[in-house]
Amino acid sequence: AQKITQTQPGMFVQEKEAVTLDCTYDTSDQSYGLFWYKQPSSGEMIFLIYQGSYDEQNATEGRYSLNFQKARKSANLVISASQLGDSAMYFCAMRDLRGSGGSNYKLTFGKGTLLTVNP
Amino acid sequence: DTGVSQDPRHKITKRGQNVTFRCDPISEHNRLYWYRQTLGQGPEFLTYFQNEAQLEKSRLLSDRFSAERPKGSFSTLEIQRTEQGDSAMYLCASSLIRGAKNIQYFGAGTRLSVL
Repeated sequence: AQKITQTQPGMFVQEKEAVTLDCTYDTSDQSYGLFWYKQPSSGEMIFLIYQGSYDEQNATEGRYSLNFQKARKSANLVISASQLGDSAMYFCAMRDLRGSGGSNYKLTFGKGTLLTVNP
Repeated sequence: DTGVSQDPRHKITKRGQNVTFRCDPISEHNRLYWYRQTLGQGPEFLTYFQNEAQLEKSRLLSDRFSAERPKGSFSTLEIQRTEQGDSAMYLCASSLIRGAKNIQYFGAGTRLSVL
């Protein structure tokens, strides 16, 4: 079974500074994908960034980067130059990339981290 | 490019009533997913369709829950005889089979309150 742990219920950051949101995972699968989503108060889950377990380089998407440490089973999200609009819940998720039936399609989510960006 | 659309955004109902939610996926996406999110938790998988076929159902999906995706387009999620424990955000997502990423794009959800 897969498990995602996000140990920071809430984080605060000053506008224009960088912030790291922690995510550790547990899986017996060899091939998996790691995802980060942002959920503003409006409720929509917005896809931010993806990292495959066999990707050699850390993923980057604009101001978002994923610090992937496979041996430590961690996939931390780094947001550079924080903006007020970054205030939201952030969820780390994973998915098995192999396996039978629907098991390799469903996402397993952590409990999330509430990020507040202060002006 | 239209995203995933869910209707209604909010639903308040009395215990014992039936409710139905609708999800319109991104037009070319052939996979559709339903998740449930309770307060303070991340979303939990409920069920998944590939085209019109329902391929997996979570144990969370009791007999009171039924989902359909006629003609492989929009999907409906019906809850019969609602209970207070059904109060949650119901999220729909869709994706396109293309490589390993298979990114799931979510709608804004339907927030259900059972009184």
